[in-house]
Amino acid sequence: GQSLEQPSEVTAVEGAIVQINCTYQTSGFYGLSWYQQHDGGAPTFLSYNALDGLEETGRFSSFLSRSDSYGYLLLQELQMKDSASYFCAVRNRDDKIIFGKGTRLHILP
Amino acid sequence: KAGVTQTPRYLIKTRGQQVTLSCSPISGHRSVSWYQQTPGQGLQFLFEYFSETQRNKGNFPGRFSGRQFSNSRSEMNVSTLELGDSALYLCASQPGTGLSTEAFFGQGTRLTVV
Repeated sequence: GQSLEQPSEVTAVEGAIVQINCTYQTSGFYGLSWYQQHDGGAPTFLSYNALDGLEETGRFSSFLSRSDSYGYLLLQELQMKDSASYFCAVRNRDDKIIFGKGTRLHILP
Repeated sequence: KAGVTQTPRYLIKTRGQQVTLSCSPISGHRSVSWYQQTPGQGLQFLFEYFSETQRNKGNFPGRFSGRQFSNSRSEMNVSTLELGDSALYLCASQPGTGLSTEAFFGQGTRLTVV
């Protein structure tokens, strides 16, 4: 089957760093994307990795290892507003977009 | 620049009825995708349209259908509603196709089937 696996929940402290992992098993692979969704809100695009390595955008970074079928989203200097769900997504060989089930990030003051 | 607009925002329907949801993409965007979001299943891909053509379809029964108009606006229809169809339906627009281009999501339509 085709799937993306992410932890269902992660808890971290304000000001700390947190990593959200995503492993994928898909027929074909055309890059890994990350989205953030606040409760009651629309998903918003965070990053995209097509090649191995780290992409940095402000406090957020995303990493991809195609040989390991693995990626992660790294959030630094956590703020309370970062409390949200985070989704990884892949477009596979059949040109279908597959999302992970999402990771709920809880931030403690 | 206006964002993605979905109407209606909330909808309550009875089992067996049908429903039509609308999505207006960002001006200039030609790709529209639809997703079903439920607490247990996350975001599941329904279909993608580009220039009025369905490019791909997810693993949903034939009761789920959609179309795209020449102005890129899209509609999706669900016939013979079932309780399990209760979900948040999201559409996303992109300038073109492909995951690399940022997808902009609408606020969604919350459908409740009773």
